[in-house]
Amino acid sequence: DAGVIQSPRHEVTEMGQEVTLRCKPISGHDYLFWYRQTMMRGLELLIYFNNNVPIDDSGMPEDRFSAKMPNASFSTLKIQPSEPRDSAVYFCASSLAGWGQETQYFGPGTRLLVL
Amino acid sequence: GNSVTQMEGPVTLSEEAFLTINCTYTATGYPSLFWYVQYPGEGLQLLLKATKADDKGSNKGFEATYRKETTSFHLEKGSVQVSDSAVYFCALSDRGAGSYQLTFGKGTKLSVIP
Repeated sequence: DAGVIQSPRHEVTEMGQEVTLRCKPISGHDYLFWYRQTMMRGLELLIYFNNNVPIDDSGMPEDRFSAKMPNASFSTLKIQPSEPRDSAVYFCASSLAGWGQETQYFGPGTRLLVL
Repeated sequence: GNSVTQMEGPVTLSEEAFLTINCTYTATGYPSLFWYVQYPGEGLQLLLKATKADDKGSNKGFEATYRKETTSFHLEKGSVQVSDSAVYFCALSDRGAGSYQLTFGKGTKLSVIP
């Protein structure tokens, strides 16, 4: 079974450009999470969805960030306009719900560099 | 609220040495506990987990026991290899909160030298 799929794996863009990161969760999973990882801040939860509905976006740093989940097999994280401080590795993860099934499975990440 | 505290790194060990990475937690409910591992340039992978007190999670020679009385979940391995060099994250999922979010520690970088 395929794991969590993220694209692109690497993105280099210039300040002010729009960036869209994509994620395909594991089929049948109920939850989808977006994280950001930097050396300074470590691993931060940005937003998560349950059955395609955003539940908690309190980790989204500012209005430049937005996330959508139009269906159970696809989610996007968009940054518009991008800034150099957005440079980080962005991970998507998915999980089931239920006692003992809450293990999150991570994708390989998108390495974003904003120049 | 929930929090996870793990020992500061980096940790450098010689091959075949014994490894302990300490992890303690605070939780409002009855959490599941996890250790994740991140190899260079990769995403986080589940290493092991435990869902109730006194459970022992184990995988690839690593072990951790859920100690409710000391709110701890220390990671151990009897003989580390160079291939174990990675960053290790302790995490909890507070099911009582009904959200299935993971609360992560800051990570401990392990380097194993031949």
